Amino acid sequence: DTGVSQDPRHKITKRGQNVTFRCDPISEHNRLYWYRQTLGQGPEFLTYFQNEAQLEKSRLLSDRFSAERPKGSFSTLEIQRTEQGDSAMYLCASSNSGRASTDTQYFGPGTRLTVL
Amino acid sequence: GNSVTQMEGPVTLSEEAFLTINCTYTATGYPSLFWYVQYPGEGLQLLLKATKADDKGSNKGFEATYRKETTSFHLEKGSVQVSDSAVYFCALRSLMDSSYKLIFGSGTRLLVRP
Repeated sequence: DTGVSQDPRHKITKRGQNVTFRCDPISEHNRLYWYRQTLGQGPEFLTYFQNEAQLEKSRLLSDRFSAERPKGSFSTLEIQRTEQGDSAMYLCASSNSGRASTDTQYFGPGTRLTVL
Repeated sequence: GNSVTQMEGPVTLSEEAFLTINCTYTATGYPSLFWYVQYPGEGLQLLLKATKADDKGSNKGFEATYRKETTSFHLEKGSVQVSDSAVYFCALRSLMDSSYKLIFGSGTRLLVRP
């Protein structure tokens, strides 16, 4: 078990370009989360998958953002027509679908996006 | 709505000093409470958690007690080390939220000097 991995770790892009990030959760974890963290702030929830189903999306997730989790394993987060305000650290986390009181999320190292 | 408020940092201490980082929350029902730590260049790591009132979470010398009456979950350590320098995040999860998503505070940076 190597933990949650994310790729790439850093991405620099020009405004208007599309970017895609990948998250590989801990194997057998059926819940997968995406969060966004801006400088000096705590992570903010973006979206959540249980297996392959995307069950909740935050209002932060504009129509330029799309996330998928085909086959309930890895997940991708795509941002279309990037804007400078999209610059942030994008975090992925995974957990088992245990009881709410015991469910623990494990985080990946994040993908830092810089939009020029 | 649910929210978490942490004391602003940075908190600067000398090695072996006593640490307190304040955290208060607003939530419907009785949430689970967490402290995560982010070391420089690394991802968030769960430090400790508590799932019901009066529970005490502890790990690596850190402790926090779930206080329902004051809606608080303050993080403490009796003697900090230089290696404890990091950003600490308090978070909650509402049991009424089927997604189990975490709601974080803004983080408190701790700097421990030798």
